[in-house]
Amino acid sequence: TQLLEQSPQFLSIQEGENLTVYCNSSSVFSSLQWYRQEPGEGPVLLVTVVTGGEVKKLKRLTFQFGDARKDSSLHITAAQPGDTGLYLCAGRPGFGNEKLTFGTGTRLTIIP
Amino acid sequence: EAGVTQFPSHSVIEKGQTVTLRCDPISGHDNLYWYRRVMGKEIKFLLHFVKESKQDESGMPNNRFLAERTGGTYSTLKVQPAELEDSGVYFCASSQEGRFIAGEQFFGPGTRLTVL
Repeated sequence: TQLLEQSPQFLSIQEGENLTVYCNSSSVFSSLQWYRQEPGEGPVLLVTVVTGGEVKKLKRLTFQFGDARKDSSLHITAAQPGDTGLYLCAGRPGFGNEKLTFGTGTRLTIIP
Repeated sequence: EAGVTQFPSHSVIEKGQTVTLRCDPISGHDNLYWYRRVMGKEIKFLLHFVKESKQDESGMPNNRFLAERTGGTYSTLKVQPAELEDSGVYFCASSQEGRFIAGEQFFGPGTRLTVL
């Protein structure tokens, strides 16, 4: 069974600070996605990383896939209150339309 | 374009009763997935349809759960009889067929099921 551990589970920081969320596994994934989920809604895809060592940027968010494709990180620069939400990583074991293995989630709160 | 829709948004039933959840995928999406999150746990995969066929049902917890996708359009997930541990949020997702890279899965808002 593939597991994805996210850390920290909860994070509360002041507006303007930087933060990093980690997603770790002992298993290799063909790709890894980061989602954000708002209350009462389903997860919404932020980014997909496919290649080991890949780095993708989405405005103030930087996503990195580990070289061995077992871990990933999400770094937010100058956090804004609008970044508040539940962040989920999810891995896909093989190529193609396959089931996602979700991480345990990080609930982020940005204090104005 | 309408997103993935799920009905009902909330359902409260008693142990032993039957509940049927419905998911309408994005039009044209052949792939349909069911996931669920039980209290305090991560979202877990239940099953995957390609059109009307079950591609992977390895995540279905037991034979009290029955999923169907007649005609390859909407899908239903029936729980009969419901148990307390079935409480949670049930998500449906759909995606297009991806030739080289798996299609993005678009999630519905979920159905919150409470079994008393």
